[in-house]
Amino acid sequence: QSALTQPPSASGSPGQSVTISCTGTRSDVGGYDQVSWYQRHPGKAPKLLIFEVNKRPPGVPDRFSASKSGNTASLTVSGLQPEDEADYYCSSFAGTNTLIFGGGTKLTVL
Amino acid sequence: QVRMVESGGGVVRPGKSLRLSCGASGLILTNFDMHWVRQAPGKGLEWVAVVWSDGTTVKYADSVKGRFIISRDIYKNTVSLQITTLRVEDTATYHCAKQRGGGAYSLDFWGPGTTVTVSS
Repeated sequence: QSALTQPPSASGSPGQSVTISCTGTRSDVGGYDQVSWYQRHPGKAPKLLIFEVNKRPPGVPDRFSASKSGNTASLTVSGLQPEDEADYYCSSFAGTNTLIFGGGTKLTVL
Repeated sequence: QVRMVESGGGVVRPGKSLRLSCGASGLILTNFDMHWVRQAPGKGLEWVAVVWSDGTTVKYADSVKGRFIISRDIYKNTVSLQITTLRVEDTATYHCAKQRGGGAYSLDFWGPGTTVTVSS
């Protein structure tokens, strides 16, 4: 099964908003409301930002929001801050208790 | 404070086996569905396997099916990944991760990872 498709890079200036897309198929992103987003800083473990398409775990700022339309999910980071510079990964339930990840997007804060 | 840490990585020859272990403090791993996820150098995250909290249901990515075995030890509070017939393409940092409860298929707590290098 191929990885979900994410743009390899994205960028924005402090205070701006950036949206990262994650495209799958009807067998994963489009078939279930089980899309998650993770933030990963170099040398650190991934951190869950979003679960079940658009829900934030406690402690995640509301600057991070997400949505899904058809086979494509999106993560929006509003009010970009320098500490938002990181790699972002989407994942989706892919049936029969399996998960699939996106290839990752490197977000640069200019 | 909750801590989860992986161990068992190293440099191994192709065709050999390795056993990775994930232990935790402040968290009973066997209460949750536990996953292994790996990241090869310069690549993205790749889901590897899951063991349900019932201890008997397991699933694997197609890329590792038949070579990897995920298991757990309720007495030691650990989750393990037995890797056999290692291939160069198995070179990666392997993370264990806890699935969020409540039916969400997302991973809300990750270990820092242990690195496996397969090289002749």
